[in-house]
Amino acid sequence: GNSVTQMEGPVTLSEEAFLTINCTYTATGYPSLFWYVQYPGEGLQLLLKATKADDKGSNKGFEATYRKETTSFHLEKGSVQVSDSAVYFCALREIQGAQKLVFGQGTRLTINP
Amino acid sequence: EAGVAQSPRYKIIEKRQSVAFWCNPISGHATLYWYQQILGQGPKLLIQFQNNGVVDDSQLPKDRFSAERLKGVDSTLKIQPAKLEDSAVYLCASSPRGTGANVLTFGAGSRLTVL
Repeated sequence: GNSVTQMEGPVTLSEEAFLTINCTYTATGYPSLFWYVQYPGEGLQLLLKATKADDKGSNKGFEATYRKETTSFHLEKGSVQVSDSAVYFCALREIQGAQKLVFGQGTRLTINP
Repeated sequence: EAGVAQSPRYKIIEKRQSVAFWCNPISGHATLYWYQQILGQGPKLLIQFQNNGVVDDSQLPKDRFSAERLKGVDSTLKIQPAKLEDSAVYLCASSPRGTGANVLTFGAGSRLTVL
């Protein structure tokens, strides 16, 4: 079946550091790919998405590029802030059947001042 | 626009008791989802409705879980009887038709603790 694998956390960085959170997927065909973020005490929010190969999604300084050759969708940010502390989920939208959203296990990110 | 509303936010019950969660999606959103998020794991889809019909319930433990979506709007998820392993956050989400169908909007979730 379709699945998403994220780099294990937790990840702790200092403010202004460079961030990479790895995400790889296994899927039939070319699904849409997403990063969702869950801030403390809040619901999941869409951070960015990409719907086809080589697309780059971006939002709030975060970027991720859909790489079909490596089946990856790594999340990057050049300079993180304390307010970026959250749990980040990589997900894919299946292209068959009910087209459900399949999530990775999440990566907890903590940014220290 | 108003977001996805869920209640209750927190519920503590003993095993073998029953519990129900309610969800009010964004107005006009045709598709409604219930996800289960166990601590330290990603959300897992339990059931997906298109209007008031079930599209996918392949991962719903039907011996104890049930869900309905009356009139294609609000939805209720019930667990009866609850087990210890049902302790989780239950997330409701909705999405519109058409080009926006790819993007789900989530509620804040209902946290269930089974003792």
